[in-house]
Amino acid sequence: AQKITQTQPGMFVQEKEAVTLDCTYDTSDPSYGLFWYKQPSSGEMIFLIYQGSYDQQNATEGRYSLNFQKARKSANLVISASQLGDSAMYFCAMRVGGAQKLVFGQGTRLTINP
Amino acid sequence: DGGITQSPKYLFRKEGQNVTLSCEQNLNHDAMYWYRQDPGQGLRLIYYSQIVNDFQKGDIAEGYSVSREKKESFPLTVTSAQKNPTAFYLCASSTTRLAGGKTQYFGPGTRLTVL
Repeated sequence: AQKITQTQPGMFVQEKEAVTLDCTYDTSDPSYGLFWYKQPSSGEMIFLIYQGSYDQQNATEGRYSLNFQKARKSANLVISASQLGDSAMYFCAMRVGGAQKLVFGQGTRLTINP
Repeated sequence: DGGITQSPKYLFRKEGQNVTLSCEQNLNHDAMYWYRQDPGQGLRLIYYSQIVNDFQKGDIAEGYSVSREKKESFPLTVTSAQKNPTAFYLCASSTTRLAGGKTQYFGPGTRLTVL
């Protein structure tokens, strides 16, 4: 069965510091995709970054990067130079094979302190 | 602007009533999805559709129904058979092409409360 685990229910970080949000996944399928979404208090899910299982390089999108360690089955999100607006829930998700559905983790609440 | 709209933003239902949540997209995406989110939880898939006039059950389809008569629209009906419908409902869409990972883009959500 496919599963996403986010072990940090909450994190508190000082503004301008880098932050790493943990995500481990479980699947036996060699083809999969990993996604990170941000959910501010308004509720909308905002797509941040995607990593395919066959991608050779770690994905980056602006201040977001994905630390993909295939052997450890981890896909941690790194946010550089955190800002107050980064305070939100962050969800890791996985799509396996040709499936359309996403499997989500429980989320991590990130709070950026001034 | 391209995007996904959901209406209403807030919805109140009396027990025993059916209600329909609207989801429209103008991204020209083939696939559309409905998720449910309970407080402090991740998202769970209710239904999804990869093409007009076709849809599949997700993990928690009981008490819900959908239709896909147009590519742009994927309404969700919460029936009286759904025992605990109070939740936040999110609609999403994606391409069905593998390029880009079939990234799902979400609407702003509908918060349903049963009185």
